[in-house]
Amino acid sequence: NAGVMQNPRHLVRRRGQEARLRCSPMKGHSHVYWYRQLPEEGLKFMVYLQKENIIDESGMPKERFSAEFPKEGPSILRIQQVVRGDSAAYFCASSEYRDRGRMANEKLFFGSGTQLSVL
Amino acid sequence: GEDVEQSLFLSVREGDSSVINCTYTDSSSTYLYWYKQEPGAGLQLLTYIFSNMDMKQDQRLTVLLNKKDKHLSLRIADTQTGDSAIYFCAESTGSFGNEKLTFGTGTRLTIIP
Repeated sequence: NAGVMQNPRHLVRRRGQEARLRCSPMKGHSHVYWYRQLPEEGLKFMVYLQKENIIDESGMPKERFSAEFPKEGPSILRIQQVVRGDSAAYFCASSEYRDRGRMANEKLFFGSGTQLSVL
Repeated sequence: GEDVEQSLFLSVREGDSSVINCTYTDSSSTYLYWYKQEPGAGLQLLTYIFSNMDMKQDQRLTVLLNKKDKHLSLRIADTQTGDSAIYFCAESTGSFGNEKLTFGTGTRLTIIP
């Protein structure tokens, strides 16, 4: 059972270009989370998605950033018109679905991350 | 707001115990976690503790939680070279459980032979 797969591992973009980061969750997982790690900082929550739905995007900048998790295919984190401050490691995590009434302890499984460098 | 703090570096001799400390601010945290990140890899969940517990032991790992002081620690007994990694403390603040985690900056553990 493959783990959470992210690609590319490294992505270099010039200012103003678009960055597309992909995440394939673990088999059987229907929840995807994106986190960002800026240099010398901890991981910061960005967005939480289920298939075709954004559940919580409170950590995502309102402009230039968008995320989707279509019915088929990987989850995509898209950053338009990148700036130097977007340079960071972007981590995706997935978990399996559980009923809300059950004790909440969904284990998050993380991918190896995409290192985005903006020149 | 939520904040989780850790010291950045820790060096320990092989065979000794490592103690990694973490403080957090959100008193409504339900779960607290320790993750391990090895070079080039994703974060691996090591252990977690529910907020109404004060201790949890899992083989070489012992987690202590002082809820009054909002202090969490991870003790690794008989530290080995394979324990070299960055260790992240995290707390759960999401309304559905642990989906929205707040992480510390990570503590880089170096093992001295």
